[in-house]
Amino acid sequence: GESVGLHLPTLSVQEGDNSIINCAYSNSASDYFIWYKQESGKGPQFIIDIRSNMDKRQGQRVTVLLNKTVKHLSLQIAATQPGDSAVYFCAETAGNTPLVFGKGTRLSVIA
Amino acid sequence: NAGVTQTPKFQVLKTGQSMTLQCAQDMNHEYMSWYRQDPGMGLRLIHYSVGAGITDQGEVPNGYNVSRSTTEDFPLRLLSAAPSQTSVYFCASSPRTGGLGETQYFGPGTRLLVL
Repeated sequence: GESVGLHLPTLSVQEGDNSIINCAYSNSASDYFIWYKQESGKGPQFIIDIRSNMDKRQGQRVTVLLNKTVKHLSLQIAATQPGDSAVYFCAETAGNTPLVFGKGTRLSVIA
Repeated sequence: NAGVTQTPKFQVLKTGQSMTLQCAQDMNHEYMSWYRQDPGMGLRLIHYSVGAGITDQGEVPNGYNVSRSTTEDFPLRLLSAAPSQTSVYFCASSPRTGGLGETQYFGPGTRLLVL
């Protein structure tokens, strides 16, 4: 079946630098994407979402970019802080179907 | 609002035992889902419900049963626990206006160990 995956399983960045977490998806019918953050011992927490009619969406210190041509999604975190250390998941859905989650990327912030 | 609550937080079972993982939400959300999360993997959907009295299977439903008698509660039952069911279980809910794939609110999880 089609699935959502990630290019990098782990990412280490210096505090203050920008982080980029990537995600590839294979379902060309996917029309809605979400990034979740999961801290150790907690449930996933919504960060930001984007619909397929958009290329970019910005939140507070986070930006999601969507490239439908190559089926690629990225999450950019500006001025990464120690509190950003977590596992980040992308998830996709096509129409009114349940979310499909990627395997996750662990972000480690070096102080 | 308490959001999505799950009990118990931790549970140890012996192979063959049965148990029910509880999930409740106080946001009046129509949609509720159960996921399992294994090390190094993302969340996999077990069962979901689009409203009271309606349930459907997800990606990995075998060995689990669900029911949705009220909007608030969505219990997950393990009929005969197996070591392969050792995992962290998350319950999630989302409002009807958002749809099944829209933003989901997750509970804190239940860690299950089957010996």
